[in-house]
Amino acid sequence: DADVTQTPRNRITKTGKRIMLECSQTKGHDRMYWYRQDPGLGLRLIYYSFDVKDINKGEISDGYSVSRQAQAKFSLSLESAIPNQTALYFCATSDPPGLAGGPAEETQYFGPGTRLLVL
Amino acid sequence: GQSLEQPSEVTAVEGAIVQINCTYQTSGFYGLSWYQQHDGGAPTFLSYNALDGLEETGRFSSFLSRSDSYGYLLLQELQMKDSASYFCAVFSGGYNKLIFGAGTRLAVHP
Repeated sequence: DADVTQTPRNRITKTGKRIMLECSQTKGHDRMYWYRQDPGLGLRLIYYSFDVKDINKGEISDGYSVSRQAQAKFSLSLESAIPNQTALYFCATSDPPGLAGGPAEETQYFGPGTRLLVL
Repeated sequence: GQSLEQPSEVTAVEGAIVQINCTYQTSGFYGLSWYQQHDGGAPTFLSYNALDGLEETGRFSSFLSRSDSYGYLLLQELQMKDSASYFCAVFSGGYNKLIFGAGTRLAVHP
């Protein structure tokens, strides 16, 4: 079974609709992230969470909200979808770098992605 | 602010060597990471450099020069399956998260 799963894998919705993208992980990681990917723009961070009680905005949080229901679950909601939110959405998880005095390495593990089309 | 620059596209032939460069501007720099993403797939971790110098992992190597705010990914003995997008990313302690470059699309031809 995949360590990081996302549902749905594909979604078509209409402008103004509320939708939720879900992410689950079995890696036991505390940190979870939501990114969107647009052609030529790489991965841009929407929201991130370092534990169940911690939620932080990323670069492009406007129009999105998140919920960290448990260590293993992190959901992304589009309250009122608009066409420019059409993109590929990735969830990722990581463990915090552990060396004292500074991070050693943070490897992020990505889910398979959700392709969202807003009409 | 933080920014990373890498070429948008690189083309090479099978068996060749290719270098993908990345320059960055960030505060509180801790290290440079590289991720690979095949079309339709998820990004996967390739390498990480925290210290200056070359790190080798099989056919892939990654280099960092902190004084120049520069790094590169070196792919040797290119194979068709290496055709993918490659992203550099900086782990910035001030933000506690990875910031990704826009990606370099590598096309390997026979």
